[in-house]
Amino acid sequence: DTEVTQTPKHLVMGMTNKKSLKCEQHMGHRAMYWYKQKAKKPPELMFVYSYEKLSINESVPSRFSPECPNSSLLNLHLHALQPEDSALYLCASSQDRDRTYEQYFGPGTRLTVT
Amino acid sequence: GNSVTQMEGPVTLSEEAFLTINCTYTATGYPSLFWYVQYPGEGLQLLLKATKADDKGSNKGFEATYRKETTSFHLEKGSVQVSDSAVYFCALSTMGGTSYGKLTFGQGTILTVHP
Repeated sequence: DTEVTQTPKHLVMGMTNKKSLKCEQHMGHRAMYWYKQKAKKPPELMFVYSYEKLSINESVPSRFSPECPNSSLLNLHLHALQPEDSALYLCASSQDRDRTYEQYFGPGTRLTVT
Repeated sequence: GNSVTQMEGPVTLSEEAFLTINCTYTATGYPSLFWYVQYPGEGLQLLLKATKADDKGSNKGFEATYRKETTSFHLEKGSVQVSDSAVYFCALSTMGGTSYGKLTFGQGTILTVHP
């Protein structure tokens, strides 16, 4: 099974709301990633977790807060977002961070900030 | 730093035509190379990969060969189908430094195949 699942599929939130995105994988992967993708652009890396520890934060604003409760789960907590944060948010996982391992992507959460 | 350059799209082909999407890269260190495909409304799917020079990755009729001498990883398919219409991303990953385990993507190439 090479599936990464993400919930919800779609999310509409106001600028004062707090919401969370969830990502799950059961492949035993030890690296998990959050990406942001705008229309017609490649994904942009936001965060990398390796063995449940935050390894990379690509200078993401603090209104995005990642959490890795265990090796299978990755959350992204959202608070006080701006309209420009509307995008497709993709989760991915890989066996670990070694360059030879491919990343498996989930279907994404389409976020709209009103 | 690392970078990936893909041929500009969009690319429009008739069914059963030959497809080439060019991809060249610059990398600090020895990269692994990947092609990902994104169908409308979906996440990215790994299409194929190569981890060392002269490796050929292949899947679903698509092929790409890791050419270290020309720093290229061009995607080819002999006969495209309407169902191949999607966005194709070339990407690389290297070890070491701040790029460790990070995917660097090209800008993507939109492919449309007409019946």
